[in-house]
Amino acid sequence: EDQVTQSPEALRLQEGESSSLNCSYTVSGLRGLFWYRQDPGKGPEFLFTLYSAGEEKEKERLKATLTKKESFLHITAPKPEDSATYLCAVQAYGNQFYFGTGTSLTVIP
Amino acid sequence: DAGVIQSPRHEVTEMGQEVTLRCKPISGHDYLFWYRQTMMRGLELLIYFNNNVPIDDSGMPEDRFSAKMPNASFSTLKIQPSEPRDSAVYFCASSSAGVGNTIYFGEGSWLTVV
Repeated sequence: EDQVTQSPEALRLQEGESSSLNCSYTVSGLRGLFWYRQDPGKGPEFLFTLYSAGEEKEKERLKATLTKKESFLHITAPKPEDSATYLCAVQAYGNQFYFGTGTSLTVIP
Repeated sequence: DAGVIQSPRHEVTEMGQEVTLRCKPISGHDYLFWYRQTMMRGLELLIYFNNNVPIDDSGMPEDRFSAKMPNASFSTLKIQPSEPRDSAVYFCASSSAGVGNTIYFGEGSWLTVV
């Protein structure tokens, strides 16, 4: 059964305290793994797409990596404005997207 | 690019009433998705269309839910009759065809059924 699991459910960091969010997946025929950021009252905002194991993408303080079983979203020296829920999704054959339940990140000044 | 546009942004309705949510996808996108988001279940895919044709509606919870896409620039999700357990945020999203193409979300329609 195709599924996506994110951990931890919630994470509180001090400003400047680096950490990583995890997305593990089981899917038949991975076509892409996506990271989104969702702010309260907003729709998910696209961050990255990763297509194959070993691939990495960076954007400001965020870096996403991919293996055959999981992806990590590394947050380096986070700021309060990085507080949000981060969602992971995988795209399988047939254009199905499976979303995880997200990690709620709070960065304390 | 205006992005995916949804209306209404917020709706409060009484149990038993009909609710219609509307979506305008990004121009040129071939795929349109309807998702529902709740605290308990996260984002659930309800239905998706390709070139205005429904491809997979297995996520539609009950016959009370229906979706249409009469043309490439408009889709509706209808709930009739609505029930309190339908209260959630409903997102419309769209993407272009192709392997690994990103789906882009609207801002959502916040539905409360009392």
